This record gives sequence, structure tokens and C-alpha cells, in this order.
Amino acid sequence: EAQVTQNPRYLITVTGKKLTVTCSQNMNHEYMSWYRQDPGLGLRQIYYSMNVEVTDKGDVPEGYKVSRKEKRNFPLILESPSPNQTSLYFCASSLRGGFYEQYFGPGTRLTVT
Amino acid sequence: GQQVMQIPQYQHVQEGEDFTTYCNSSTTLSNIQWYKQRPGGHPVFLIQLVKSGEVKKQKRLTFQFGEAKKNSSLHITATQTTDVGTYFCAGIDNFNKFYFGSGTKLNVKP
Repeated sequence: EAQVTQNPRYLITVTGKKLTVTCSQNMNHEYMSWYRQDPGLGLRQIYYSMNVEVTDKGDVPEGYKVSRKEKRNFPLILESPSPNQTSLYFCASSLRGGFYEQYFGPGTRLTVT
Repeated sequence: GQQVMQIPQYQHVQEGEDFTTYCNSSTTLSNIQWYKQRPGGHPVFLIQLVKSGEVKKQKRLTFQFGEAKKNSSLHITATQTTDVGTYFCAGIDNFNKFYFGSGTKLNVKP
């Protein structure tokens, strides 16, 4: 089944403790992206990647890191999480950039205390 | 920076009434996509508009892209309870960056 998977689905952590949220797609998509969703703000793009080893900042990249070493994986790294990074995070992928529909993962609900 | 504004934030309608949500970008877009998110779910792609003035229909849903490629709308005719959810527009720039509107949450009373 074609899908985008994210792990973990739920995470409660403390300020400053490094964490990684994994994202994987099995559709051979070139474009992958991370979003955060907050009430009243919609989805905001954090980072995106047009292909392996190519990543670019989205609208809200501060406090996040990403890497794209393989086509299928696009992990999101929070080196020192803070409470204002408490949010619902979605990973998405598309065949080749902004002219193709994005397929979203199920989401990761992160709480930083 | 670039922004995409979406209104209204909420819309409550009686089943059978029409519904419209509007998006407006501060800059010209390359293309625009629309997504629907059911409560507790993830966004699901509905449609893409690319050309200036483009109009597309999907059954009871009509999507429009403005002549200047800065605004767009989604109109649902005769809403049904299955239409419940949050509708997002997403403007895309020439660098493949996505700018989502804040969404319109639609509630349909049977």
C-alpha cells in the first residue's frame, strides 16, 4: 500500500531533550516536506527537500533540522526542544515538487513540557 | 513574507445549504492546491489549479483560481454531512514552497 509513515505518533518530552521524528514513504517520491499544524494557523512548512541531499527552509525552520540521505526517508530533528514546539507535525511527499499532489502521513503529536 | 489568508475561519450550515471559502495571497502564485482534513485525520488532496482564471468542478465542488493568480475559492453546492471537515488552500511559489491558508472548518447540521 502506498503510504507515508511517521514515528512516533505521540510523544511527550521535556525541554532540551533531543528527539527525532522519522518519516518514510514507499512511493519513490522525490519531494518531501515537514509541516507543523497549530490551531488557527493552518499548516506551516518547516523544511522541504526536492531530492536526496537537497533541503530548503520553509516558513518556520528555526529550532529544527532535517536530513535527506535516502530518497524514502526524511527525519525531523529537534536538537533542543522548547514548549513552543508543542504541535501536531505532518510529513508529506509528492512525486516531484509543487505541481504534484502531496500525500500526508498520519501526524505526530508532540508535547514539550 | 508571503502569506495566504483564508476566510471564514468557521462556517456552520444546515444540510443542503451552500458553502464557500476564499483564499487570498499577498503575492502571485505559481499554482494552488486544495486539501480537506477530517477531524482527527490528515490533509487529503482535492484538486490543483494552475492557469489564470481556471475553474474546475468535482461533483458538487467548484474551484476557481483568480485572473491574477492571487486568489482562489472553493464552493460546495447543497452540502451533505460527509462534507464536514476543514478545508485548506495551499499556494505554491516558484521555489516549490507551500503556503497554507489557516483553513475553514465546516460543520453541517443534518
